[in-house]
Amino acid sequence: DIQMTQSPSSLSASVGDRVTITCRASQGISNYLAWFQQKPGKAPKSLIYAASSLQSGVPSKFSGSGSGTDFTLTISSLQPEDFATYYCQQYNSYPLTFGPGTKVDIK
Amino acid sequence: QVQLVQSGSELKKPGASVKVSCKASGYTFTSYAMNWVRQAPGQGLEWMGWINTNTGNPTYAQGFTGRFVFSLDTSVSTAYLQISSLKAEDTAVYYCARDQNFDYWGQGTLVTVSS
Repeated sequence: DIQMTQSPSSLSASVGDRVTITCRASQGISNYLAWFQQKPGKAPKSLIYAASSLQSGVPSKFSGSGSGTDFTLTISSLQPEDFATYYCQQYNSYPLTFGPGTKVDIK
Repeated sequence: QVQLVQSGSELKKPGASVKVSCKASGYTFTSYAMNWVRQAPGQGLEWMGWINTNTGNPTYAQGFTGRFVFSLDTSVSTAYLQISSLKAEDTAVYYCARDQNFDYWGQGTLVTVSS
């Protein structure tokens, strides 16, 4: 199975900050990487697929990059509605696996 | 607009069974696969497997074989997750999510297993 790790596991940031979250796969996954945002008590929401493609309706302050084993999610200017937990997920091979999540909270 | 609407919360006793539904609307149901994802209390996301909505063929992740069954009723655009012989550790929120991009998710169904 492909193991996904994320760093940091949590971070505190202020409104307006630029935030970067890193995701690493235990083996190469090309660009078969997705990012999700989850707020407490809510279903996850798809942000990015194919490592860098923005889902329809997702604001451009979110961006993704990377290929192979190392990936990043960047939020260009953090807003109050962005405080949430972010998960990466590989869909290169079965079983599909998620990272453990990165919780972004208010400093 | 695309919507996945899941059935409501369930409280079950150990050993019982539960069937969670996921009703799709706003698109052609058989054109997109359906995934199932589990989230235990306070934990992360765990992929359970998926079902081909065109053929009905399910694929289960390790750890979700035997007691877990994915099924469909294409006449009502609905996918189902049935869990039998429930255990306390099955307590979780279960989500359905569309296609390999997981582009749309149901709102989740909380299944609580307690005596």
